[in-house]
Amino acid sequence: EAQVTQNPRYLITVTGKKLTVTCSQNMNHEYMSWYRQDPGLGLRQIYYSMNVEVTDKGDVPEGYKVSRKEKRNFPLILESPSPNQTSLYFCASSSAQSLTSPLHFGNGTRLTVT
Amino acid sequence: AQSVTQLDSQVPVFEEAPVELRCNYSSSVSVYLFWYVQYPNQGLQLLLKYLSGSTLVKGINGFEAEFNKSQTSFHLRKPSVHISDTAEYFCAVRGTSGGSYIPTFGRGTSLIVHP
Repeated sequence: EAQVTQNPRYLITVTGKKLTVTCSQNMNHEYMSWYRQDPGLGLRQIYYSMNVEVTDKGDVPEGYKVSRKEKRNFPLILESPSPNQTSLYFCASSSAQSLTSPLHFGNGTRLTVT
Repeated sequence: AQSVTQLDSQVPVFEEAPVELRCNYSSSVSVYLFWYVQYPNQGLQLLLKYLSGSTLVKGINGFEAEFNKSQTSFHLRKPSVHISDTAEYFCAVRGTSGGSYIPTFGRGTSLIVHP
C-alpha cells in the first residue's frame, strides 16, 4: 500500500531536549516536505526536498533541521525545541517530475513542548 | 509567486443543505488546482484536482469543483452534505514552471455540518 509513515503520532517533551520526527514514503517520490499546522494559520511549509541531498527552506524554517540521505526518508530535527514549536506536524511526498501528482500526507505528529 | 485565498475560515451548515467553499488563487503561470480534506485526527487526503480540460471536476464523496480562469477561482461544492462531511478543507495550487511547482496551500475552511 502506498503510504507516508510518520513517527511518533504523539510526542510530549521539554524545552531544549533534542528530538527527531521520522518520515518515510514507499512511493519512490522525489519531492518531500514538512508542514506545521496551527489553528487559524493553516499549513505552513517548514522545509522541502526535491531529491536526495537537496533541501530548501520553506516559509517557517527557524528552529528546524532536515536531512535527505535516502530517497525514502526525510526526518525533521528539532535541536532545541521551544514551546512555540508546539504544533501538529505533517510530512508529505509527491512526484517531482509529474506536477499533476497530488501530495500524499502522513497522519501527523502532535508535538507538545513544555 | 503564487497564493491561495480561502475566503471563509468556517462554514456552518445543516445536514442535507448545499454548501460552497470558496477558493481564489493568484499565479503568474499556468496552474494545477487541488482540494484536500482533513478529517479529525487524520492527515490530508486528496478530494479532487483540476489539471486541464473540462472546468467541472468531480471528486470523492459527491464533491465537485469548478475552475474559472477569468475569476481565478476553484470553488468546491456539494449539493447535499452529510454529518460525516464535517472536516477541514484545503485548496492548493501548483504552478507549471520555475519555483511555482512547490505547492501552495490556503489557510483552510472548517466545514461544520449540524444535524
